[in-house]
Amino acid sequence: EVQLVQSGAEVKKPGESLKISCKASGYSFANYWIGWVRQTPGKGLEWMAIIYPGDSDTRYSPSFEGQVTISADKSTATAYLQWSRLKASDTAMYFCARPMYSGTYYSSFDIWGQGTMVTISS
Amino acid sequence: DIVMTQTPLSLPVTPGESASISCRSSQSLLESDGGYTSLDWYLQKPGQSPQLLIYTLSYRASGVPDRFSGSGSGTDFTLKISRVEAEDVGVYYCMQRMEFPGTFGPGTRVDL
Repeated sequence: EVQLVQSGAEVKKPGESLKISCKASGYSFANYWIGWVRQTPGKGLEWMAIIYPGDSDTRYSPSFEGQVTISADKSTATAYLQWSRLKASDTAMYFCARPMYSGTYYSSFDIWGQGTMVTISS
Repeated sequence: DIVMTQTPLSLPVTPGESASISCRSSQSLLESDGGYTSLDWYLQKPGQSPQLLIYTLSYRASGVPDRFSGSGSGTDFTLKISRVEAEDVGVYYCMQRMEFPGTFGPGTRVDL
């Protein structure tokens, strides 16, 4: 079964760092792009960044460039999203997602992780 | 970014009846090199992740019942649910993937 399993909920303070994960199974991790989507009550669903684990090629949404870092580890079939200095506005649900077709991110996303809730509060 | 809008934002439904959701994009989603439309529909059921319902305008994703259908062209699109069932409640999103980053509509909340 193809699935993405995300790390658990996090509660952090402003200024702290954080790295959340998305572990893939059931398919060839290196051959599919994998991305992160943020969900907030105010702005809804927003694409943040996407990575091709095969060669670590990355794309960032202009809204998130410089704010987060996406990475992937082929040896553990895991994608990551990290922050160096969290802000209260980073409070959100974060989903990882994989497209239907290998080798392209211009594709519908049919596999989603269960979500990781991140809460930033002093 | 391509801006996606949806109407209505809230849609009360009655089981057994049909329902329609409209989505509009700020520019055409017709791909000139392939002749297909880069518009998808997702459903987020309460407490769950979004799930792909319709891709490339009108193709049902694996396991999606045939009471769901997608149509439209250019910048105007429609998701239709015929014979609504109780399990169809949730928030429906359209999403364009013609340009990166893909952008979602604000969502239409469907409830009984």
